[in-house]
Amino acid sequence: DAGVTQSPTHLIKTRGQHVTLRCSPISGHKSVSWYQQVLGQGPQFIFQYYEKEERGRGNFPDRFSARQFPNYSSELNVNALLLGDSALYLCASSRSGTLSQETQYFGPGTRLLVL
Amino acid sequence: DQQVKQNSPSLSVQEGRISILNCDYTNSMFDYFLWYKKYPAEGPTFLISISSIKDKNEDGRFTVFLNKSAKHLSLHIVPSQPGDSAVYFCAATHSGNTPLVFGKGTRLSVIA
Repeated sequence: DAGVTQSPTHLIKTRGQHVTLRCSPISGHKSVSWYQQVLGQGPQFIFQYYEKEERGRGNFPDRFSARQFPNYSSELNVNALLLGDSALYLCASSRSGTLSQETQYFGPGTRLLVL
Repeated sequence: DQQVKQNSPSLSVQEGRISILNCDYTNSMFDYFLWYKKYPAEGPTFLISISSIKDKNEDGRFTVFLNKSAKHLSLHIVPSQPGDSAVYFCAATHSGNTPLVFGKGTRLSVIA
């Protein structure tokens, strides 16, 4: 079975631009979460979506948005990019929307560099 | 304010010996704990988890111990192998639809 897939693998943008990152969950998983990992830190929660609805949001500005499609894939959008947005963006999927007591499985990530 | 702390940024262990990675948490609401392993250029891979109703969970060479009173958990790897060299993240969550909270990670190097 295919794991969580993400595209693109790498991306270079300049300040002020907009970026869209994509994620496909494991087959049968209905929940997708997005995390940001900057160098030297653990992943930080950005969003969780379940059945196309936002179920949770971390402490990120409104420049960050996401959505989930009927096939449970998801997009993360970041507007007005800042240098500090340079990070590894991770997508994780799980079967249900409870998040707790349930294992999340991560994709390989998209490495974003903002110049 | 870090709710999950991994105070050792790195650890070196000889092949065949035991690796012990530690994690402390401050939020007493956490009731489910996970360990992930991460290789460079890959996403975190789930390793093992433990619910707060247990104090030990074992899976092959990996054992996680939970001490709720001390708000401390540890991951034991026995015997350590060179392929175990990676960054290990401790994560925690609690009931009520909350996301994973990660520590900063510990880089384990297993030396042949």
